[in-house]
Amino acid sequence: SAVISQKPSRDICQRGTSLTIQCQVDSQVTMMFWYRQQPGQSLTLIATANQGSEATYESGFVIDKFPISRPNLTFSTLTVSNMSPEDSSIYLCSVNSGYLQAFFGQGTRLTVV
Amino acid sequence: QKEVEQDPGPLSVPEGAIVSLNCTYSNSAFQYFMWYRQYSRKGPELLMYTYSSGNKEDGRFTAQVDKSSKYISLFIRDSQPSDSATYLCATEGGPGGGADGLTFGKGTHLIIQP
Repeated sequence: SAVISQKPSRDICQRGTSLTIQCQVDSQVTMMFWYRQQPGQSLTLIATANQGSEATYESGFVIDKFPISRPNLTFSTLTVSNMSPEDSSIYLCSVNSGYLQAFFGQGTRLTVV
Repeated sequence: QKEVEQDPGPLSVPEGAIVSLNCTYSNSAFQYFMWYRQYSRKGPELLMYTYSSGNKEDGRFTAQVDKSSKYISLFIRDSQPSDSATYLCATEGGPGGGADGLTFGKGTHLIIQP
């Protein structure tokens, strides 16, 4: 099994600022995934991050708004840039266990005021 | 675009009852289907996954897939208050149709009354 540490667990931010969320895994993984979970909505994939290459973004998500870094096989960051209240959500990272995604971080609960 | 439809509930049942949770999906090409359980303020945890059609049982939990109707189900027998959580169904592949990531339903909030 993989243990995922996600920081911060929650934050309240001013609109127009940026927040960087960190995801640390206790083992090396090829792919890491970033999701957003808005109230009443599905857990939605933002992007897939492979080490050594640009992240792949899903429709509706762009690199300028959600830049991602993946410097090594155990770590990734997601930045939420130029935040607005609509960005208030829970952000989660996830890693694969074999073919299936099995492990999620605890999530970062973001409130933008 | 991939879609997974799931009734968000809440679904409230008495302790000991059999619970049935259901989802429908739109893309007939995918073969893997997952159920996650998410407690309040926690990340989702994988409960079960199934491949193609059929049933899979694990203790009090049974996952069922009917590919002909694009219908997936999770049954919980002898439900316990500790089963109270949000249950998320998911299919393989991202919502845009890519091979990576998962597409989730909205989740069903389940309440087991003692």
